[in-house]
Amino acid sequence: KNQVEQSPQSLIILEGKNCTLQCNYTVSPFSNLRWYKQDTGRGPVSLTIMTFSENTKSNGRYTATLDADTKQSSLHITASQLSDSASYICVVSPLSGGYNKLIFGAGTRLAVHP
Amino acid sequence: DAGVIQSPRHEVTEMGQEVTLRCKPISGHDYLFWYRQTMMRGLELLIYFNNNVPIDDSGMPEDRFSAKMPNASFSTLKIQPSEPRDSAVYFCASSAGVGDTQYFGPGTRLTVL
Repeated sequence: KNQVEQSPQSLIILEGKNCTLQCNYTVSPFSNLRWYKQDTGRGPVSLTIMTFSENTKSNGRYTATLDADTKQSSLHITASQLSDSASYICVVSPLSGGYNKLIFGAGTRLAVHP
Repeated sequence: DAGVIQSPRHEVTEMGQEVTLRCKPISGHDYLFWYRQTMMRGLELLIYFNNNVPIDDSGMPEDRFSAKMPNASFSTLKIQPSEPRDSAVYFCASSAGVGDTQYFGPGTRLTVL
């Protein structure tokens, strides 16, 4: 079964610190992998998108990496801010079943404390 | 653009009642998606449309759920009759083309008592 697993489930860091969130997937083949940020009470918002041939993609303080050989992706947040407190969801779009049928991870809940 | 618009934002109803959730996608987007999010199961795709036509409804949990898209700017998700286990946040999303980024609405928090 195609799966996307994220770790840790939750994370607490101090403002200004860096952190890395992990995503392991078994979806294969896939067309792209995305990271979404979901603030409490809001819908998910796309942060980065990488095709299977890309290794890294940045969006400001957010940098996503992808290792297609080990089927792992990570999201690195630099110099965290209080506004980074949210859930971060790894999403894989498989080639089979249609590009639009996204497979979502359970998310990592990040809390940034002052 | 105002983004994806959903209404109502919150809905509380009693078991057995009919519930209708509404969505207005981003203008010009050809794809519309309905998702359900719960703590236990995370985000699940229920159904999606392309140019107002339902393409895949395999995620719709039961016959009690139905979705329509009468035109390019409006879609509904109906639950009849509703049950307590339908309590969740329902998101509508839209995208411009196949595989493009999906833009999510703010969601409707449904509570069935």
